[in-house]
Amino acid sequence: EVQLLESGGGLVQPGGSLRLSCAASGFSFNTYAMTWVLQAPGKGLEWVSSINVNGGATYYADSVKGRFTISRDNSKNTLYLQMNSLRAEDTALYYCAKHHVSSWPHQYHGMDVWGQGTTVTVSS
Amino acid sequence: QSALTQPASLSGSPGQSITISCTGTSSDVGAYNYVSWYQHHPGKAPKLMIYDVSNRPSGVSNRFSGSKSGNTASLTISGLQAEDEADYYCSSYTASNTLVFGTGTRVTVL
Repeated sequence: EVQLLESGGGLVQPGGSLRLSCAASGFSFNTYAMTWVLQAPGKGLEWVSSINVNGGATYYADSVKGRFTISRDNSKNTLYLQMNSLRAEDTALYYCAKHHVSSWPHQYHGMDVWGQGTTVTVSS
Repeated sequence: QSALTQPASLSGSPGQSITISCTGTSSDVGAYNYVSWYQHHPGKAPKLMIYDVSNRPSGVSNRFSGSKSGNTASLTISGLQAEDEADYYCSSYTASNTLVFGTGTRVTVL
C-alpha cells in the first residue's frame, strides 16, 4: 500500500525549532518529487516547500524562506522539514505529499498521495 | 505568491452540476497547463481529482472535469452526490518554480 506517515509535530515556543519527518512506503521514493503543505486552523491549504528526486533542487514559500529547510534521505525513504525560528503563524497541520509524476521543478502534475498530517503549535 | 481566487462556497442539489472557478494570473494559471484540483474532507488527507487542467487520475469519477480559459481554471462536478460535499482547492505551478493553492471552495449538497 502506498503510504506517507508524518511525525515530529508538537508544541514549541516562539523562536524554537522542530524537525518534521515523512516516512514513505509502497512506492519508489527516490523517483518522485515531494512537497510539504500546511493548513492553518480554519484556513485553506498553503504550499510550503518542494524538493526534487535527488534533493538537489529545493523551493520555498516566501513565508518560510530562510527559516525552513526541506531535505530527503532516499536511503531511508524519508522526507524532512527542519523548522527554525518558529512563529505563532506557523501553527498548522503539516502534510507531506508525493508528486504524481516526477518532473519537478520544470513541470507539475499534481500530488497524488498525501499523509494524514502532523500538527505544529507555536505558543508560549 | 498570492493565493488563487476561488468562490468561498457553492451549493447544489443532488443530480445538479456546479462549477468552481479558480482565477490566477499570467504568471501561474495563465502561463502553464499545470493546474490541479483537490478534494478535501475535513480530517482526511486531500485527494487529487484533476491534474494538468483536465486529466483525471485513475479511480476518480468522470463526474469531475476540468478546463481552463486564460487566467481562470474551472472544476465542474456533474450529477452532484452527497459524498461530493467537501472543500475543493485548485493549485497551479508558477513562473518562480513554486506552487500556489486557491483560497478554497466549500461545496454543500442541499
